[in-house]
Amino acid sequence: SAVISQKPSRDICQRGTSLTIQCQVDSQVTMMFWYRQQPGQSLTLIATANQGSEATYESGFVIDKFPISRPNLTFSTLTVSNMSPEDSSIYLCSVVQGQGSYTFGSGTRLTVV
Amino acid sequence: AQKVTQAQTEISVVEKEDVTLDCVYETRDTTYYLFWYKQPPSGELVFLIRRNSFDEQNEISGRYSWNFQKSTSSFNFTITASQVVDSAVYFCALSGAGGYQKVTFGIGTKLQVIP
Repeated sequence: SAVISQKPSRDICQRGTSLTIQCQVDSQVTMMFWYRQQPGQSLTLIATANQGSEATYESGFVIDKFPISRPNLTFSTLTVSNMSPEDSSIYLCSVVQGQGSYTFGSGTRLTVV
Repeated sequence: AQKVTQAQTEISVVEKEDVTLDCVYETRDTTYYLFWYKQPPSGELVFLIRRNSFDEQNEISGRYSWNFQKSTSSFNFTITASQVVDSAVYFCALSGAGGYQKVTFGIGTKLQVIP
């Protein structure tokens, strides 16, 4: 299965600023997924990122707030823009290889103060 | 639409007790995958098991066992002789089997094993 390097592992940010989270995969993958896990909650899909096309966002998530880049088949970034304390969460990227074989990054624990 | 229900939000057991975490799912897909993940306090997701909807055999891995019953749309997880290191949040999850499918997670069950 793929190995994902996700950075940063954690950060504390001031409200109103932006943070970019990176995920590097050790093999080429067609689709990458970005999830958010708010404190004490489950994982919610933010968007699906396909290389060479715009990301597809789930209901409740918009590109202006969570812009995603997918410049090649091994890399993606998620930016959390104009942050507020409500954005404090764990953010995880994920890839799928083959049928039902999902790998998750180690997560980025974001605290907005 | 897919849905995963974990009715137990928190469970506390004394070390060496057995504990079962319940998972009930809903899907219109005829082929799908079911998963269990463990999330320790550090936050990463630790993969435990994947089960194809066509494979209803129960599985045992050390102290862990899983009971998949398609008739009741359930995929329960049992830890035998629990240990303190088992303390974590456990997520049951579901994905479709065609193409690149997102994973739908349950709300998670927080398990605390008391020494």
